[in-house]
Amino acid sequence: DIQMTQSPSTLSASVGDRVTITCRASQSISYWLAWYQQKPGKAPNLLIYKASSLESEVPSRFSGSGSGTEFTLTISSLQPEDFATYYCQQYKSYWTFGQGTKVEFK
Amino acid sequence: QVQLVQSGPEVKKPGASVKVSCKASGYTFTTYGISWVRQAPGQGLEWMGRISASNGNTNYVQKLQGRVTMTTDTSTSTAYMELRSLRSDDTAVYFCATVYSTSSPFDFWGQGTLVTVSS
Repeated sequence: DIQMTQSPSTLSASVGDRVTITCRASQSISYWLAWYQQKPGKAPNLLIYKASSLESEVPSRFSGSGSGTEFTLTISSLQPEDFATYYCQQYKSYWTFGQGTKVEFK
Repeated sequence: QVQLVQSGPEVKKPGASVKVSCKASGYTFTTYGISWVRQAPGQGLEWMGRISASNGNTNYVQKLQGRVTMTTDTSTSTAYMELRSLRSDDTAVYFCATVYSTSSPFDFWGQGTLVTVSS
């Protein structure tokens, strides 16, 4: 099974900050990686697929990069609506989620 | 627009079974598979399994093999997830989500169904 490890688990930031979240796979997954945003009491929302492709209607301040085993999600200028929990997901071999990164107010 | 509407909250006793439904609309049901994901209180997302709506093929996560069954009813565009021999650690919100293929992320999600297992 492919394991996914995110860091950090919690990130404290302010509006306007540049934020980076890292996701590491236990083996190479090429670019078969997605990022989701989840707000309390809501279902996750797909932000990025194939490591760096932005889902339609997702703001351009979100970007993804990486391949193989190391991936990053970057929010270029954090907005109030971006405070949420973010999950990476591999889909090279079935599906596995990272444990999540909560972005909270500093 | 694609919509997945799930059944309402459930309270079950340990050892019982639960069956959660997920009614799809806004697309041809057999175009996408349906994956099920659960989230225990305050915890992360756990993929449970997936069913192809076109041929009924299923893949389940190993830890749930033997306790979970996923089915679809193409006549009503509805997917079902049944979990048996419930334990307290099965208490979670259960989500359904569309998945185009085995090499796809989850595009659209249901609103979630809270299943509480308590004596």
